[in-house]
Amino acid sequence: QKEVEQDPGPLSVPEGAIVSLNCTYSNSAFQYFMWYRQYSRKGPELLMYTYSSGNKEDGRFTAQVDKSSKYISLFIRDSQPSDSATYLCAMGSGGSNYKLTFGKGTLLTVNP
Amino acid sequence: SQTIHQWPATLVQPVGSPLSLECTVEGTSNPNLYWYRQAAGRGLQLLFYSVGIGQISSEVPQNLSASRPQDRQFILSSKKLLLSDSGFYLCAWSLLGGGQPQHFGDGTRLSIL
Repeated sequence: QKEVEQDPGPLSVPEGAIVSLNCTYSNSAFQYFMWYRQYSRKGPELLMYTYSSGNKEDGRFTAQVDKSSKYISLFIRDSQPSDSATYLCAMGSGGSNYKLTFGKGTLLTVNP
Repeated sequence: SQTIHQWPATLVQPVGSPLSLECTVEGTSNPNLYWYRQAAGRGLQLLFYSVGIGQISSEVPQNLSASRPQDRQFILSSKKLLLSDSGFYLCAWSLLGGGQPQHFGDGTRLSIL
């Protein structure tokens, strides 16, 4: 079983739709959870950073962590064509471990 | 604020030629530094990371090496490039301590002919 699983998509939605992106993981040591957005031919850009379970909201974006189910989500409300990108989840266990484990990314297209 | 610079953006090299990619970070001290390769459908592969000057940890055996000659400078090198070295190379930094988010540069697209 892979440490982090993420549906690669592609996911295509109309403008204004609510988008749900998800990752599951198997390592119970993960404590820190991130979502990145990557435009074509660019580096990943940090969108959301959360610690432990619960919700975090930033504008149109909401990150949700359910540690009991080992499941994280990113919701995008009122999606815009500019949200079209690849979204990657990432996780870390903290402590002396500096490394993050990334999902392979979900390609999202928002159609005007 | 912190910024990360990575260059060149695009590079085309012949097989067997040397390589040097450079990454610098501004606006922070003692960052952790990382080199990744991203291949289509395979996600981000961590190649090297560094927690301090001269301290390099290698994640996978390969044709590449890394060096950190200054606190905020990270260099990815090869003496002789292989076709399999083609890919999108990303440099990243983070604050010290585990679980910190990493911040990426805009990458170098390397093509080997």
